[in-house]
Amino acid sequence: GENVEQHPSTLSVQEGDSAVIKCTYSDSASNYFPWYKQELGKRPQLIIDIRSNVGEKKDQRIAVTLNKTAKHFSLHITETQPEDSAVYFCAASRNTGFQKLVFGTGTRLLVSP
Amino acid sequence: SAVISQKPSRDICQRGTSLTIQCQVDSQVTMMFWYRQQPGQSLTLIATANQGSEATYESGFVIDKFPISRPNLTFSTLTVSNMSPEDSSIYLCSVEGQGRGTGELFFGEGSRLTVL
Repeated sequence: GENVEQHPSTLSVQEGDSAVIKCTYSDSASNYFPWYKQELGKRPQLIIDIRSNVGEKKDQRIAVTLNKTAKHFSLHITETQPEDSAVYFCAASRNTGFQKLVFGTGTRLLVSP
Repeated sequence: SAVISQKPSRDICQRGTSLTIQCQVDSQVTMMFWYRQQPGQSLTLIATANQGSEATYESGFVIDKFPISRPNLTFSTLTVSNMSPEDSSIYLCSVEGQGRGTGELFFGEGSRLTVL
């Protein structure tokens, strides 16, 4: 089955810096790659996703890149703000009719003012 | 979007007992998913619940330990049976967003179980 690895496990940055979180996946048939943000004590929420037919997607300060050949995808957050502090999870799915997501191990991002 | 309500939000349970978690969605959905998030860990899919059929369990999870009901298109329950301290986790119900074409998963707030 699918296996998703995520790095780093923790990431500390200064406000205004950029943050990059990387994930690799094992199943070459996976074609849907979402990123979820989970604030302390809250539910995970989708922040951005990408499908295998594109290599990059942006939404304001966040972007995701996908390299299908290498089977890795990354989350980029620019101009980080303290409210970006949370745990971020990547995930992968074959998206064959329903979302059987396999999640990465999570990255705890701390943005210091 | 989908609004998902879970009950209880948290509970402290004794070893050997069972607890049922309820999940209510504000719209009809075909599939409901139950995830487990152990302390400080990632989300692991326990099972997928379809209305009118038996749930499909992932490797490492069995029906005797985690029986699931899905009586209609807006409701599901997950029971954690014969609990041990290793079952202390957050259990999350989720559904796929409808009408958006993106496949986004929406999660409930989670049920935090502590087993003593």
